[in-house]
Order: sequence, then C-alpha cells, then structure tokens
Amino acid sequence: KQEVTQIPAALSVPEGENLVLNCSFTDSAIYNLQWFRQDPGKGLTSLLLIQSSQREQTSGRLNASLDKSSGRSTLYIAASQPGDSATYLCAVSWLSGGYNKLIFGAGTRLAVHP
Amino acid sequence: IAGITQAPTSQILAAGRRMTLRCTQDMRHNAMYWYRQDLGLGLRLIHYSNTAGTTGKGEVPDGYSVSRANTDDFPLTLASAVPSQTSVYFCASRDSAMTEAFFGQGTRLTVV
Repeated sequence: KQEVTQIPAALSVPEGENLVLNCSFTDSAIYNLQWFRQDPGKGLTSLLLIQSSQREQTSGRLNASLDKSSGRSTLYIAASQPGDSATYLCAVSWLSGGYNKLIFGAGTRLAVHP
Repeated sequence: IAGITQAPTSQILAAGRRMTLRCTQDMRHNAMYWYRQDLGLGLRLIHYSNTAGTTGKGEVPDGYSVSRANTDDFPLTLASAVPSQTSVYFCASRDSAMTEAFFGQGTRLTVV
C-alpha cells in the first residue's frame, strides 16, 4: 500500500530558528512530490514541487529535498518567522495501473513564536 | 481569476438526505480529485478522475459517487448522508503531465 508519513506531527519553535520537516513514503517509484501549506480554516497553497528526477527545489527561504532510494523528503525553512505558522503537508504522486494518485501525509503543525 | 471553485462553502445537512458538492475548474486540467480532511487523519482521497469520462476509487470511496461528464466539472454526491461524513471536502486538479496540483477553498459539511 502506498502511504505517506510526516514527522513530527507538531512543532513549536522561537522566531529565527532554522527547521526541518520530514516526509517519508513507501514505494520509491514516485512520479513527483509536492509540499503544501495550509492556514487554519483555509485551502491548500502549493509551496514546492519536486519531480522524481530532481534532488531539490528552492523558493525563497524554503528548500525541499528528495531522496527516492530512502523514501524521504525534507522541507527546510530558514530563519523562521511567526508568519510561517501553519500546517505543512507533503503529497506524493505515483503511477498505479495507468492512473495517477496524489496521496497526502497527515501534516506537521508548525507554530513560530516571537 | 483562473482556478478551482467549490460550492457550497458550507452546509448543514440532515442525515439521510442526498447532497452534491460542486467543483469546477477553468484551467483545462485533465486530472481532478476529491479529498476529505478530518482532524488527526489528514487529507484522504475519496475519488479521482484522470480525464473526462473516467473515474477511480481512492482510499475512502464508500458512500460517495462522482461523475466526469466534461473536463471542467467533477461533482461529488452523497446519496444518503450519515454523520460520519461530517468533514471538510477539498477538490483539486492538475494537468495531464501531473505537475502542480491546485486546490479549491473547501466545503465544510456537517451531517446531523
């Protein structure tokens, strides 16, 4: 079964810290992996997309890496700010039986306090 | 503004009633998805469609049905709602190359 797991479930850090969010997945034959941000009561906002052939993607203070062989991706947030407080979700795409699926982890709830 | 529109934004529904959640996208994306999000369980895939005319079952399809008569619309129907279907429902789409997925703002459904 194709599953996605995120650790930790929740994280609280002081402003300015660099932090790492983890995502692991079964079945290394992924097509791509996408990181999202979700604010309370809101929809999902795409942050970064990594194709299976890529090792990392960067956008501003965010850097996402991908290691297919170990079934892992990390989202690195540099110099965290209170505005980064949100839930971060990892989603993995697999091609299965000719259909493509997008499966989510349960998310990491991040709180950055001043 | 291009994107995905879900309707209604919220609904309170009596158990046993039929309900259709609407989802429309104007990006001409081939693939569309329905998820439910519950506290502690994250987003779980209900049904998906890779192209108009085709649909597939996700992780939690029981009690739900979908149709994909055209590229833009992907309605989700609850034939006879039960309280366990109380959740926030999200619709998503992406193109046939399976690049970035885009999400609607969600429908908050309460079944009483």
